[in-house]
Amino acid sequence: NAGVMQNPRHLVRRRGQEARLRCSPMKGHSHVYWYRQLPEEGLKFMVYLQKENIIDESGMPKERFSAEFPKEGPSILRIQQVVRGDSAAYFCASSPLPGGNTEAFFGQGTRLTVV
Amino acid sequence: ELKVEQNPLFLSMQEGKNYTIYCNYSTTSDRLYWYRQDPGKSLESLFVLLSNGAVKQEGRLMASLDTKARLSTLHITAAVHDLSATYFCAVGNTGNQFYFGTGTSLTVIP
Repeated sequence: NAGVMQNPRHLVRRRGQEARLRCSPMKGHSHVYWYRQLPEEGLKFMVYLQKENIIDESGMPKERFSAEFPKEGPSILRIQQVVRGDSAAYFCASSPLPGGNTEAFFGQGTRLTVV
Repeated sequence: ELKVEQNPLFLSMQEGKNYTIYCNYSTTSDRLYWYRQDPGKSLESLFVLLSNGAVKQEGRLMASLDTKARLSTLHITAAVHDLSATYFCAVGNTGNQFYFGTGTSLTVIP
């Protein structure tokens, strides 16, 4: 059973471009979470999704950021018109049960650098 | 919003010594998780604590949960260099989220 797979591992974008981050949860997991980690800081919750539904997006910036988890395929975190402040590590986690009821398993992260 | 605080934020300790990391949280929860993160790496699950009074041990690490005090501790016994990492606690809530603490950066020195 492969773990949570994120790609790409590293992503460089110029200011104004779009960034797409992908996350394939562990097999059998239908709950996906995205977190952002700035250097030397903790993890900030962004969004919690189940298949085809956004359950909680209270941590998502109101503009430029969106997330989806389609019926087929990976979850996608999309950042439009990136700015330097978007540079961070973005981690995806998945769990087999609703959030908080069981441990979440994390992917290796995507390190986004905006130049 | 549920708040999770860890202390200390930074911890430098000598090999062979004992120390405790504290995790306080602001609202009722009986689900507490500890993770380890090495520099540039992902988060590795260490402990899952799901009831008041839960205690789990793995090697030199022991975690406990007091839901009444809203406090979890991660105790390190006879530290070794391999334990150097950042340790995060996370709290689960009924809103289906995990809230993470700010992390404790542990450095074990010879």
